[in-house]
Amino acid sequence: GAGVSQSPRYKVAKRGQDVALRCDPISGHVSLFWYQQALGQGPEFLTYFQNEAQLDKSGLPSDRFFAERPEGSVSTLKIQRTQQEDSAVYLCASSINSLTGYGYTFGSGTRLTVV
Amino acid sequence: AQSVTQLGSHVSVSEGALVLLRCNYSSSVPPYLFWYVQYPNQGLQLLLKYTSAATLVKGINGFEAEFKKSETSFHLTKPSAHMSDAAEYFCAVSESNAGKSTFGDGTTLTVKP
Repeated sequence: GAGVSQSPRYKVAKRGQDVALRCDPISGHVSLFWYQQALGQGPEFLTYFQNEAQLDKSGLPSDRFFAERPEGSVSTLKIQRTQQEDSAVYLCASSINSLTGYGYTFGSGTRLTVV
Repeated sequence: AQSVTQLGSHVSVSEGALVLLRCNYSSSVPPYLFWYVQYPNQGLQLLLKYTSAATLVKGINGFEAEFKKSETSFHLTKPSAHMSDAAEYFCAVSESNAGKSTFGDGTTLTVKP
């Protein structure tokens, strides 16, 4: 597609509910990143894929967070047993290859509110 | 470890005035540096990037930034502000050839008529 597409755009979850956030990167982009952006702050790194391989998951805040990219294209970020501190905007970004110097193309994000 | 400090969470300028948004970085190796802009309810858009070529980098919408190694700075400037420049701006650093970037907390630019 023309850009990075994320769905849903907004998600309200009850505390304890599981959620799945989808990212559809630009076609042919090798690298895919997930970031978490809390209100009033910059994005914070969660995890990174190169094709289907998850090369870095050091930013995932707990074992309740899980990400996958099974065919090297669409990615899903899953949060189990959501808690209020998980409320944030989740941003997906893709890059044409693995060289960081290309910069990212970001999606519009999914705003997660846990009530 | 890499880090970014953006000085001034809010900057206000008059239309037509110079825009200066400050960014200082910390990196253990030669860095890649980026500026992104975020409009309300949208994702971040890449404005410009420094990747060890020319130290003065020109980006979209008339913005430019200068990499100063001695000052560990990468400040963003625009000679004349336009109302449409009102947005949040993020500076980011990356150390490696692949992988994550570290973002600053952002600077909100307000442009007064």
